[in-house]
Amino acid sequence: AQTVTQSQPEMSVQEAETVTLSCTYDTSESDYYLFWYKQPPSRQMILVIRQEAYKQQNATENRFSVNFQKAAKSFSLKISDSQLGDAAMYFCAYRLTFNNNDMRFGAGTRLTVKP
Amino acid sequence: DVKVTQSSRYLVKRTGEKVFLECVQDMDHENMFWYRQDPGLGLRLIYFSYDVKMKEKGDIPEGYSVSREKKERFSLILESASTNQTSMYLCASTLRDSKLFFGEGSRLTVL
Repeated sequence: AQTVTQSQPEMSVQEAETVTLSCTYDTSESDYYLFWYKQPPSRQMILVIRQEAYKQQNATENRFSVNFQKAAKSFSLKISDSQLGDAAMYFCAYRLTFNNNDMRFGAGTRLTVKP
Repeated sequence: DVKVTQSSRYLVKRTGEKVFLECVQDMDHENMFWYRQDPGLGLRLIYFSYDVKMKEKGDIPEGYSVSREKKERFSLILESASTNQTSMYLCASTLRDSKLFFGEGSRLTVL
């Protein structure tokens, strides 16, 4: 079974600084998606960024970018110029390209942003 | 804007009570999901549905059932609540190949 591991239960960053959240996954498949979801306190979870495994180029969304290392099965999230609104739980997730019903989530990383 | 609405944000129930958690989406999505979120465990899939009246078990279906009588509504039922079902419950929906849209969550406490 595919598993997703987030080894950092908690992280903190100073406002305006850069932080990287780690994620590794285990799979024998070659076609899959990887995601980072953000869950702000008492608010709904939203998608931050998505990466297709067949794409070599790392996905970027404004201040959020990923470092996708397919051979190492690593998918880290970099947040640049951190803002107070970035404080949240961040979940790494994986699913097969052709199985929309089997999304696997990591345990999450709680990010604190210090003013 | 996309909307997934969960009927109750906070519930407190007693052991043995029947509990209904309702979820409604307004996007005409085919797929709907119920997850359970616990600290250190992330999100675990309880049940999902890919069409009206169709359902499939996820990783942790024991103690739960679901109902999908209409496309927009997916209900999670705890037939006889137990203390180990105290948790955050998240509903989500999606089209075939797009991102998940989540509700705000229902925090259930079973005493």
